[in-house]
Amino acid sequence: AQKVTQAQTEISVVEKEDVTLDCVYETRDTTYYLFWYKQPPSGELVFLIRRNSFDEQNEISGRYSWNFQKSTSSFNFTITASQVVDSAVYFCALSEINRGADGLTFGKGTHLIIQP
Amino acid sequence: GAGVSQTPSNKVTEKGKYVELRCDPISGHTALYWYRQSLGQGPEFLIYFQGTGAADDSGLPNDRFFAVRPEGSVSTLKIQRTERGDSAVYLCASSQASGGGQETQYFGPGTRLLVL
Repeated sequence: AQKVTQAQTEISVVEKEDVTLDCVYETRDTTYYLFWYKQPPSGELVFLIRRNSFDEQNEISGRYSWNFQKSTSSFNFTITASQVVDSAVYFCALSEINRGADGLTFGKGTHLIIQP
Repeated sequence: GAGVSQTPSNKVTEKGKYVELRCDPISGHTALYWYRQSLGQGPEFLIYFQGTGAADDSGLPNDRFFAVRPEGSVSTLKIQRTERGDSAVYLCASSQASGGGQETQYFGPGTRLLVL
């Protein structure tokens, strides 16, 4: 069965520190997609990135970067020079293509607190 | 353009009552999804529509839950004989084209349901 584990329930750092959020997934599918979403206090899930299982290139978008490693089934997310506005709950999610279902499987989320 | 909208934003009901939650997807998105998010957890998949038909309802917890999308746009999630355990935030998402797991899902603000 597919599964997403975000072992860090809560992380608290001081503004301007770098922080990495871990995501480990399990799947028997060879074709799958991984996602990160941000859920600020307002509650709406905001899409951050989508990565398919055949593309292991790391990605950088401004202060955000993602490290995808199939060998360890991990898709970690790093925020560089964190800001208070980055405070939110971050979810990693998995979608399997060949399983026949289309819903995302989410981790439990990591609550990130950036202190000024 | 407008994002996914959901109404009502909050719903308080009594145990045993019937409720309807509405989702209006992004214009042109043929795929529509419902999720449920309990406090401190990640969203859990309920049902997926492709056009008017429910392509995957494997996440519906029991037969008290039902969803429709009669014209392939707006969807209604219906819960009969509500129980206190149904209290959660119900999220709707939509995506382009065939869905199929690889498309990015864009989420609405959710409906917070409280069953007393």
